[in-house]
Parts: sequence; structure tokens; C-alpha cells
Amino acid sequence: AQSVTQLDSQVPVFEEAPVELRCNYSSSVSVYLFWYVQYPNQGLQLLLKYLSGSTLVKGINGFEAEFNKSQTSFHLRKPSVHISDTAEYFCAVSTGGSYIPTFGRGTSLIVHP
Amino acid sequence: SAVISQKPSRDICQRGTSLTIQCQVDSQVTMMFWYRQQPGQSLTLIATANQGSEATYESGFVIDKFPISRPNLTFSTLTVSNMSPEDSSIYLCSVEGALQGGNYGYTFGSGTRLTVV
Repeated sequence: AQSVTQLDSQVPVFEEAPVELRCNYSSSVSVYLFWYVQYPNQGLQLLLKYLSGSTLVKGINGFEAEFNKSQTSFHLRKPSVHISDTAEYFCAVSTGGSYIPTFGRGTSLIVHP
Repeated sequence: SAVISQKPSRDICQRGTSLTIQCQVDSQVTMMFWYRQQPGQSLTLIATANQGSEATYESGFVIDKFPISRPNLTFSTLTVSNMSPEDSSIYLCSVEGALQGGNYGYTFGSGTRLTVV
């Protein structure tokens, strides 16, 4: 069975600063990795995903993530955040022939002016 | 990508009562999924609902507590039965399929925020 650990429950950052949200996973087989964002009072929206190929994945809203198999990590980064990036971010992993993901506990990104 | 309408968006219910949550999709989908997001917790898959068959429940969830209907390819309901304060959560439905930009993955509804008093 797979599992996901998001190391930070909350990440405060100032506007225009860079940010990294950490995600580590555990699985005995090949994985697919996802980052979802949940804005206040909204459902989850897919930011980006890694299925295969290039380990650096670019997503929407200027976010990117790098798959590191040796460190079993899939950290999310953005070089310059905006107030509008304030949201809950979920890392997820799936395996096998189904994309049904297992979610981490989420990281609350709080961007201050 | 699919658009999901979920109702109600929030509700406050008395313990011992039941609430039915509706999920309507604007396109036909094979599988629909129901998740629970407890306060400060991650999303946990409750069950997978296929049209024309019984829902498949994950460990820790049972049909008597969370009965699910899937009458057609665009609609599903989840009922939270005999509610207790521990059932206070956000419940989300999700579908599998094409997303914007050619991506493939899961689309989520906006959720139902349930408070049991």
C-alpha cells in the first residue's frame, strides 16, 4: 500500500517570495504523483502530475514539482508567490492501473502581503 | 473537463438524522467517487460508485452508514445515516476523466460541509 507524508501543515510566506511545499511518499511499486490545490470553499483542482518521463513537471499558475525517486519525494515549488496562491495544497500518490489517489494531510500555504 | 455540481454546499444537522448529498456531472462518467475530509485531515476515499452495480466501499466504511445510489451515468447520491458529531466533515464527490489542457485525472466537486450537533 502507498502512503503520502506532507511534512509541513502550514507554510507562511511573504508575497513575491519563493516557496517549497514538501511531499514524501512510500510505495513498493512505481508511482504516479499529483499535487492538488483547494481554494477556500471550493473543490480540489489538479495543479500538476507526474506519470513518467521528465522528472521536472510544470503545472498551472506557475507551479512546478520535481520527482526524486531516490529520495521518494515530489516537492512543489513556485519562484514567486501571490496573495491568490493562499490555499490548501494536497500531495497524492497512486499506483497500478488505477489513478485513484491516496492523499496527504495537506499543507496550508498562507501568503502575506 | 467535467463540471460537477454538488448539493447541499453545507448543512447543520441534528444527531440521529440522515443527510443525502447529491452529485451531478455534466457528462457521462463510468466511475464516481465519494471522499470524506475530516477537520484538519486529508481526503479519505469512502467508496467507488459504478452505474448499475453496488458501490465498492473502502475499509472502515459500510453501506448501512453510507448508502450510495448511482441511478445513471451522470448522477450519484451519498447518504450519511444516523449521524453523530464524529460525522462532521467535508464530503466530496469526484469523477475520473479528461481535464483541461489534455490532462487526465480526477475532478472534484466543491464539497458539502456537514456539521452534526
